[in-house]
Amino acid sequence: AQSVTQPDIHITVSEGASLELRCNYSYGATPYLFWYVQSPGQGLQLLLKYFSGDTLVQGIKGFEAEFKRSQSSFNLRKPSVHWSDAAEYFCAVDKTSYDKVIFGPGTSLSVIP
Amino acid sequence: DTEVTQTPKHLVMGMTNKKSLKCEQHMGHRAMYWYKQKAKKPPELMFVYSYEKLSINESVPSRFSPECPNSSLLNLHLHALQPEDSALYLCASSQDVRIQGEHSGANVLTFGAGSRLTVL
Repeated sequence: AQSVTQPDIHITVSEGASLELRCNYSYGATPYLFWYVQSPGQGLQLLLKYFSGDTLVQGIKGFEAEFKRSQSSFNLRKPSVHWSDAAEYFCAVDKTSYDKVIFGPGTSLSVIP
Repeated sequence: DTEVTQTPKHLVMGMTNKKSLKCEQHMGHRAMYWYKQKAKKPPELMFVYSYEKLSINESVPSRFSPECPNSSLLNLHLHALQPEDSALYLCASSQDVRIQGEHSGANVLTFGAGSRLTVL
């Protein structure tokens, strides 16, 4: 089945520690890939996107993500987490054959001071 | 202007009420979307309007009725809702990348802050 998975439902990190959030997709071709962040009670904000080219993409708020075709993964990373990064993170894919963006189940990030 | 504005932020309605959610963007985007999001879940696509025409309806019950009066506005009319319809309703827009009927490029979505709906 075609899907987007985020294996970690919830992650807790200490402020200043590094972070990696995992995302895997299962589609026949490489879709367009996104990471969105949602603070409590708010809409979603785009962190970064991958369309083609360089497999390491930079985003806002110090985030980056690496696309690995062989692993069908698009993991999000940040070298040093801030307390304000506590939020829900959604990986998403855009299958080019539809006007649809499909979201993964999300990973909830908690940050310990 | 890089915002999608949704009103109201909060709405409480009874099951016999008729209400509407409104969404506005002035980015020149030609695709607009309604998503429904339950707590601790990802957004679920409801409707897509492309160039002011309904292009996708994800088998949404008829008690939800979308309307796109013009390229900047998107409404969601609500009637005879059920308590399980309580959720955060998110509007989004994107530059429609359809060229002569073919989809090309990617849908980069800009979201509004959402309307929190409670059905009693």
